[in-house]
Amino acid sequence: AQSVTQLGSHVSVSEGALVLLRCNYSSSVPPYLFWYVQYPNQGLQLLLKYTSAATLVKGINGFEAEFKKSETSFHLTKPSAHMSDAAEYFCAVSDQGTGFQKLVFGTGTRLLVSP
Amino acid sequence: KAGVTQTPRYLIKTRGQQVTLSCSPISGHRSVSWYQQTPGQGLQFLFEYFSETQRNKGNFPGRFSGRQFSNSRSEMNVSTLELGDSALYLCASSLAGEFDEQFFGPGTRLTVL
Repeated sequence: AQSVTQLGSHVSVSEGALVLLRCNYSSSVPPYLFWYVQYPNQGLQLLLKYTSAATLVKGINGFEAEFKKSETSFHLTKPSAHMSDAAEYFCAVSDQGTGFQKLVFGTGTRLLVSP
Repeated sequence: KAGVTQTPRYLIKTRGQQVTLSCSPISGHRSVSWYQQTPGQGLQFLFEYFSETQRNKGNFPGRFSGRQFSNSRSEMNVSTLELGDSALYLCASSLAGEFDEQFFGPGTRLTVL
């Protein structure tokens, strides 16, 4: 069964610093991978998704992620953190044979941004 | 265009009761999925409905059920509530195809006392 592991439940950065949130996946078939963001008291918003078209995926709000099959990783990065990036981030993989509709989520990483 | 709406936003119930949560998808969307979010188990898929039929199902006990109406609105029901059912229940809608993006609502916060 597909699964994802997010390393680090909390990541702290200073405003303007590089953001790196780690995600490793386990899948027996080429996966569809996603990054979502959740702000307090809100639902999830899709940042970006990997569907095998390109290994470097650019998303909204300046985020991007690179699919590395050899490392089974799909880490999320942003060159310069902004205070508004403080939120919880979830990596997800779609369950085999369900397209994008049945997502298996990681445990989440809370990003803290200090001035 | 209005987003996914969920009602109620907050709910308090006691053990043994049952509860019904409602989700109205984005206009034109025909697929609705439900997820449970808890601090201990994280985000877990409950089920997905498309055209009034359950298309995908997660690993939850039969106390958790759902349905979808002809206007694509969906409800989920939890019977015989347990303390562990306390969670944020998220609904997501998508157009129709299996490869359409899901858009999430703000969730219903259920507290079981």
